[in-house]
Amino acid sequence: AQKITQTQPGMFVQEKEAVTLDCTYDTSDQSYGLFWYKQPSSGEMIFLIYQGSYDEQNATEGRYSLNFQKARKSANLVISASQLGDSAMYFCAMREGRDAGNNRKLIWGLGTSLAVNP
Amino acid sequence: DGGITQSPKYLFRKEGQNVTLSCEQNLNHDAMYWYRQDPGQGLRLIYYSQIVNDFQKGDIAEGYSVSREKKESFPLTVTSAQKNPTAFYLCASHLAGSGEQFFGPGTRLTVL
Repeated sequence: AQKITQTQPGMFVQEKEAVTLDCTYDTSDQSYGLFWYKQPSSGEMIFLIYQGSYDEQNATEGRYSLNFQKARKSANLVISASQLGDSAMYFCAMREGRDAGNNRKLIWGLGTSLAVNP
Repeated sequence: DGGITQSPKYLFRKEGQNVTLSCEQNLNHDAMYWYRQDPGQGLRLIYYSQIVNDFQKGDIAEGYSVSREKKESFPLTVTSAQKNPTAFYLCASHLAGSGEQFFGPGTRLTVL
């Protein structure tokens, strides 16, 4: 079963409008972290925002905010005032509790392709 | 500037040849990771290392090998045993106790 689900393969948004990219996750751990990364056409993965499972406030970083609904196990990314440069792939990832090797690996969704129209 | 470098950006090899992808970081990070990304897919973990001279297999380690002789360096060898090596390879690192992983620019490997 997928541990990270991104149900929107592709999204379109008009420049200057807000857009929400969906992410749902599945874990039985009490302690976990959720990440969003942006991957432009150049290929490099760019960290955007992080939400810890015990954080009571939704994370925000500039135009990015994370709508964290713990009971629903969702961690949607909201981009406000979209810009042309926001056109990219967006990946949601989760870090569960430590595995047997005391390492915290990331589990990745399949991504959402966002196109910002002028 | 601190960061992660991967070289080369594009790499072509003939089928049956081993090839080594370079990953160097000057962030003083403890952990390093290698991921593979295929078109339209997310990232899949190949190998990771938390400390020098130690590494663990990820989800798709077959046909790959790594070494971690120095903290700054984590090269990945794609061997001839890897059935479908053509892909985009990303190296990442993070500081112990911190959250996010930082990524290099990636190497696009094409096996002809």
